[in-house]
Amino acid sequence: DAKTTQPPSMDCAEGRAANLPCNHSTISGNEYVYWYRQIHSQGPQYIIHGLKNNETNEMASLIITEDRKSSTLILPHATLRDTAVYYCIAEGYTDKLIFGTGTRLQVFP
Amino acid sequence: DGGITQSPKYLFRKEGQNVTLSCEQNLNHDAMYWYRQDPGQGLRLIYYSQIVNDFQKGDIAEGYSVSREKKESFPLTVTSAQKNPTAFYLCASSIDRGSGELFFGEGSRLTVL
Repeated sequence: DAKTTQPPSMDCAEGRAANLPCNHSTISGNEYVYWYRQIHSQGPQYIIHGLKNNETNEMASLIITEDRKSSTLILPHATLRDTAVYYCIAEGYTDKLIFGTGTRLQVFP
Repeated sequence: DGGITQSPKYLFRKEGQNVTLSCEQNLNHDAMYWYRQDPGQGLRLIYYSQIVNDFQKGDIAEGYSVSREKKESFPLTVTSAQKNPTAFYLCASSIDRGSGELFFGEGSRLTVL
């Protein structure tokens, strides 16, 4: 199981892009990078995942470096509702996902 | 709408009592999971089940028990043997063990008095 490292907290102005970094230097070839977020007192919500290529969906973009040792989740136009804890996970199997303490993103007006 | 339903949302119990938390899904997922979350902490896996009538211990299974008699149901019992049961409990499901996308319920907050 690859360990991930995220900053404990970040701020972002509403309407600006939020770029959340994650280091996973020990990731192995068959492990995906997953991002989830958890709004206070709710269950986590899946955002996006990728293996090698950059990925984009209606919620966010995921940029993975060529050596796969780090990644960045991009929320292109952050809103107040994006205030949450964001978890970066590197793993191959769903029953091995480790939700650490994540990054607490605060979006301010 | 398809999803995961946990009940009750809030639960208060006296010390020494067993408590059962309900988790139902209508997503037709094979795999189901129970996590525990303490304040300011991440999630820790209690038990998971990849298929009906089979389940595996997670990282903190002591003091908990589960059953998986139906595909859509995965109840968790917090027994009196669990030394510190007050926590936020989250149930999740996925298509299978390899899908990576977990669908979570809204959680059950247990307070033991």
